[in-house]
Amino acid sequence: GESVGLHLPTLSVQEGDNSIINCAYSNSASDYFIWYKQESGKGPQFIIDIRSNMDKRQGQRVTVLLNKTVKHLSLQIAATQPGDSAVYFCAEKSGATNKLIFGTGTLLAVQP
Amino acid sequence: TAGITQAPTSQILAAGRSMTLRCTQDMRHNAMYWYRQDLGLGLRLIHYSNTAGTTGKGEVPDGYSVSRANTDDFPLTLASAVPSQTSVYFCASIGGRFMNTEAFFGQGTRLTVV
Repeated sequence: GESVGLHLPTLSVQEGDNSIINCAYSNSASDYFIWYKQESGKGPQFIIDIRSNMDKRQGQRVTVLLNKTVKHLSLQIAATQPGDSAVYFCAEKSGATNKLIFGTGTLLAVQP
Repeated sequence: TAGITQAPTSQILAAGRSMTLRCTQDMRHNAMYWYRQDLGLGLRLIHYSNTAGTTGKGEVPDGYSVSRANTDDFPLTLASAVPSQTSVYFCASIGGRFMNTEAFFGQGTRLTVV
């Protein structure tokens, strides 16, 4: 993997603003996508998922958008709160092999 | 409580020694996965299994082996540990008929190879 530890993409937002975290995936055969949140010292925590036959799914304060044409996934967080500060990962699952591959991750920093 | 259990929580291992990281789930999920996460980085897939009796290689399989004798257990073995295998290891599983439901993660095993 690439050494992105000290160069993790960072998104800095003000508390109360909306956040949009983007992810480009590589496999056009992927049939399932998941967004995870990971806080320091903890394991990944499920946020929301979407299947390839959908282009949008909404949860509580979160929305995932899927654009299969350009292989792009985004996570929108409404009214971002300090507790949302974490690293966010997208993951794609291959429909052919069932491999679940994670993206690089984005650090979301919420400023009070 | 249903979920995935990993053991041990942490371990310090001498280089050259072997070790098996255990992973057990009680959700009857077919697909299981092993990842490693190095400091400040994302999760990289080591090995996976779609069903009992089958396994497959992930992104970084070298130096690791797995087995899937039954649905519940998916142990990861390091035959001869090296310092570069120092990492946090996570086990995960996915259920559903088409393996497209939420993936559950274990709490992680922190391994230090010295």
